[in-house]
Amino acid sequence: DIQMTQSPSSLSASVGDRVTITCRASQDITNYLAWFQQKPGKAPKTLIYAASTLQSGVPSKFSGSGSGTDFTLTISGLQPEDFATYYCQQYKSYPWTFGQGTKVEIK
Amino acid sequence: QVHLVESGGGVVQPERSLRLSCVASGFSFRYSSIHWVRQAPGRGLEWVAAISYDGSDRFYADSVRGRFSISRDNSRNTLYLQMNSLRPEDTAVYYCAREEDDHYYIDVWGEGTTVTVSS
Repeated sequence: DIQMTQSPSSLSASVGDRVTITCRASQDITNYLAWFQQKPGKAPKTLIYAASTLQSGVPSKFSGSGSGTDFTLTISGLQPEDFATYYCQQYKSYPWTFGQGTKVEIK
Repeated sequence: QVHLVESGGGVVQPERSLRLSCVASGFSFRYSSIHWVRQAPGRGLEWVAAISYDGSDRFYADSVRGRFSISRDNSRNTLYLQMNSLRPEDTAVYYCAREEDDHYYIDVWGEGTTVTVSS
């Protein structure tokens, strides 16, 4: 199975900050990587697919990069609605696997 | 408007069974692969199972293989998850999720249904 490791597990940031979350795959997944945002008590929301393609309707303050085994999610100009938990997920091969999540909290 | 609505969750004793349903609307269900993803209380997301558009291919996480069975009825736009021999560690919110047709990622999520396994 492909293991997905996110870092950090949590971070504190202020409104207006730029934050970066990293995700590492245990083997090459080319660009079969998605990022999701989840708020407490809510279903996840898809932000990015194919490592760097923004899902329709998602604001451009979210961006993704990387290929192979190392990926990043960057959020520019944090707003109150962006404080949430973010997950990466590989869909290169079954079983699909998620990172453990990164909780972005208000400083 | 694309919608996925799960149902069938509840409280069940260990070793008993439960069947979840997911009704789809707003898209051509019969052309889409669909997944189940779960989230235990206070934990992260865990992929559970997937089924191809016509039901010919099915995939499972090791943690549920042999106990859970995914199926679909394209005439009813409905996905199922038959869960047998339930364990306390199966307690979670279960989401159904659509796999996007061209790029194979999850693009739409249901709101989830809660399963609690407890004596």
